[in-house]
Amino acid sequence: AAGVIQSPRHLIKEKRETATLKCYPIPRHDTVYWYQQGPGQDPQFLISFYEKMQSDKGSIPDRFSAQQFSDYHSELNMSSLELGDSALYFCASSLGGHRGETQYFGPGTRLLVL
Amino acid sequence: SQQGEEDPQALSIQEGENATMNCSYKTSINNLQWYRQNSGRGLVHLILIRSNEREKHSGRLRVTLDTSKKSSSLLITASRAADTASYFCAMLYSGTYKYIFGTGTRLKVLA
Repeated sequence: AAGVIQSPRHLIKEKRETATLKCYPIPRHDTVYWYQQGPGQDPQFLISFYEKMQSDKGSIPDRFSAQQFSDYHSELNMSSLELGDSALYFCASSLGGHRGETQYFGPGTRLLVL
Repeated sequence: SQQGEEDPQALSIQEGENATMNCSYKTSINNLQWYRQNSGRGLVHLILIRSNEREKHSGRLRVTLDTSKKSSSLLITASRAADTASYFCAMLYSGTYKYIFGTGTRLKVLA
């Protein structure tokens, strides 16, 4: 069965640079979520999209922005990167937004900011 | 903060024993999902339980939900060394599109 695809899987950036992470949800899934997980931490919700509209927002820095495109893939744009942005970034998808169907996670993008 | 709490934070058991992890949350939820995560890897979905359900089973996994106490538990029976991982609960709070994770339980199963 198709799973959530994230690219790139690993990314190394310098401070103050910009990064773009991509997420391709499971086919027919209309809801995408982004999470950040620091070392030894639980995943922290960043932002979600339902039917291409932002549906909820968590502790996402103003330096980050995201969108969901017409084909339902999503991109997380991170600017003015800081050392503290080094983390695992997960994308997840589900069907039906706040109806609460199973949320499936991608393998994550490991971002290292030097 | 809406973050869920999990206990214990860490659990070490022998193969064949049962492991129980607990999760508590703050306000009403739509559903609660349990995930497993091996070190530095992705999150694997285990079970979803909805707010109107009290118990669900999947293989060696049993999940209960007590909405009056705002808590859930995950029981892994006859544990195996391969069950060694971190286990997280994630709550979808009613009327929202965001899942809030619990603090996680690190399970170690000794062969």
